[in-house]
Amino acid sequence: EAGVVQSPRYKIIEKKQPVAFWCNPISGHNTLYWYLQNLGQGPELLIRYENEEAVDDSQLPKDRFSAERLKGVDSTLKIQPAELGDSAVYLCASSRGPNQETQYFGPGTRLLVL
Amino acid sequence: GIQVEQSPPDLILQEGANSTLRCNFSDSVNNLQWFHQNPWGQLINLFYIPSGTKQNGRLSATTVATERYSLLYISSSQTTDSGVYFCAVEGSGANSKLTFGKGITLSVRP
Repeated sequence: EAGVVQSPRYKIIEKKQPVAFWCNPISGHNTLYWYLQNLGQGPELLIRYENEEAVDDSQLPKDRFSAERLKGVDSTLKIQPAELGDSAVYLCASSRGPNQETQYFGPGTRLLVL
Repeated sequence: GIQVEQSPPDLILQEGANSTLRCNFSDSVNNLQWFHQNPWGQLINLFYIPSGTKQNGRLSATTVATERYSLLYISSSQTTDSGVYFCAVEGSGANSKLTFGKGITLSVRP
């Protein structure tokens, strides 16, 4: 079984530029998550999808961040415009369903904003 | 939200030694997972263990939900065990999201 796939693995951009991250969850997993991991910290949830619906986006900075999960499979997370403080690792995870389910993580996208 | 505390923050072992990593949490949980983040950043599931005891090879974990803690045991450590170990918990209602601790950095020396 293939794991969670993310791309790109690394991205370097200048501040104020836009950037997008892509995630393909494990086949059959209806729940998809985007997390942000700062250096030396644990991941923090940005947004959770149940199929196509964003059911928890309370931690997503909506002024510059947006996400979508068309057709309830792949998902894209976008930042526009990027700021220096957005430099971090962006992790995607999936699970079969919400709550009380094992979450499986992708390798992450390491973003550096200059 | 739920508070998750892991200890010790750092651990250095000689290869072959045993260790115990601890996770305390502040509220009742429906989900508790232990992860290993390897030096390349990949988070690897070790255990899904909201209660009880599980074993997988040299690793085992115990969660005592009523006392709000979980322990991860590593026996006969190997250099490949190095990395950061995270405990993450999920409660109910407003706490219904996976909340991670700050992690325990383990270094196993040959």
